[in-house]
This record gives sequence, C-alpha cells and structure tokens, in this order.
Amino acid sequence: DVKVTQSSRYLVKRTGEKVFLECVQDMDHENMFWYRQDPGLGLRLIYFSYDVKMKEKGDIPEGYSVSREKKERFSLILESASTNQTSMYLCASNRRSGGPVETQYFGPGTRLLVL
Amino acid sequence: AQSVTQLDSQVPVFEEAPVELRCNYSSSVSVYLFWYVQYPNQGLQLLLKYLSGSTLVKGINGFEAEFNKSQTSFHLRKPSVHISDTAEYFCAVTTSYDKVIFGPGTSLSVIP
Repeated sequence: DVKVTQSSRYLVKRTGEKVFLECVQDMDHENMFWYRQDPGLGLRLIYFSYDVKMKEKGDIPEGYSVSREKKERFSLILESASTNQTSMYLCASNRRSGGPVETQYFGPGTRLLVL
Repeated sequence: AQSVTQLDSQVPVFEEAPVELRCNYSSSVSVYLFWYVQYPNQGLQLLLKYLSGSTLVKGINGFEAEFNKSQTSFHLRKPSVHISDTAEYFCAVTTSYDKVIFGPGTSLSVIP
C-alpha cells in the first residue's frame, strides 16, 4: 500500500520562527510536491522536485524554500514564519515515467498555525 | 494558462439522493482531467481521471464523470449518495509535465 507521511498533523509556531515540514514517501517516486490548501482557493503549488537535489518553483514560492537530499524525503522550510502562512500544507508524490497523467499520492496534511 | 472552476462551494444532499458536482475548465490545448476526494482529516485521493477515449469515466465508490469538450466541463455524478461520501471534492486539470491545477473544491454534505 502506497504511503506518504508528514512529520506533524498540527503545528503551532510564533511569528519569525523557522519552521520545517517533513514529508516521506515509500513508493520510490521521482516527483514530490508541496501544496498549500486554503478555503475557497483549493490547492496551490509551492514547490516541486523531480529528482534528488532538484527543485522548481510553483505558483506561490515566496517565503518558502525546500530541500531534497534523499529521494524519499522532501522538506518544506518557512525561513521566518508569518501569520499569513497559517494554512494546511499537503505533500504529494508521483512517478515521472507516465508524465502529467500520473496519479498524485497525498499525505494527510500538516495544519500550521502561526501566532 | 489553464484554470478550473467549481461552481458550487457547498452541496447539501439527502442520503440516497443523486448528486452532481460541477467542474468547468479553460485551456487552449488538450487536457487531462481528474477528480480527487478529501475525507475529513485526510489527504486527497484519486476518484477518477480522464485521459482519452470514452468520455464517460467510472471511478471508485460508484462515482462517474463525463468529459464534454464543447462545454469544457467534467461534472462528477453519483446516482445514490451515502453518509460516507461526505467530503471535499476537487476537480483538477493538467496540460503540462506534472503541474496540476486544482479547483477551489466543493464540500459535499450528505444529510441522513
């Protein structure tokens, strides 16, 4: 059974803190994604990675960075958390071989509150 | 650039009644279309997807969707809903390598 896990389900941080969100997949997928989910806006792509040490900006990368040192792990970093980064963060992964039609597999999400 | 519209943000429906969740997209090129479902406190999972061929696509849990190119729509339907179908449903479109555009979502509430 495919699995994407995220390090925390709920996280409370203070403004200005550095925040790390971790994602691990056990499916040997090449592609990994970080999305932000907000009511009425759906999912918006922050960053994605198609290989180890490779990253591409998504639609809303400002205020975020990512790290992919190992194939199975993709980290999202908030360098200095702000209240407008309070949101649900979803990690996903898929294979590269089938191109854009490959199903994405999602983790359960991390609900981040920045005070 | 492509975009996705889900016309209804919330859809309440009685148990065992039929339901249709609407999705429209805009794109100047050929598209691939998806419906994902998010049950409470869970991540998204794929319900069904349209790649090519038959415009009627059947998915899991009794859902189906019909691709209508002339109306640029991909509406999701189920003839009889259950309480367990209560969830958020996302329509999505892709036309480029691994960048999927998600709609804003429709919250389906099934009333006993």
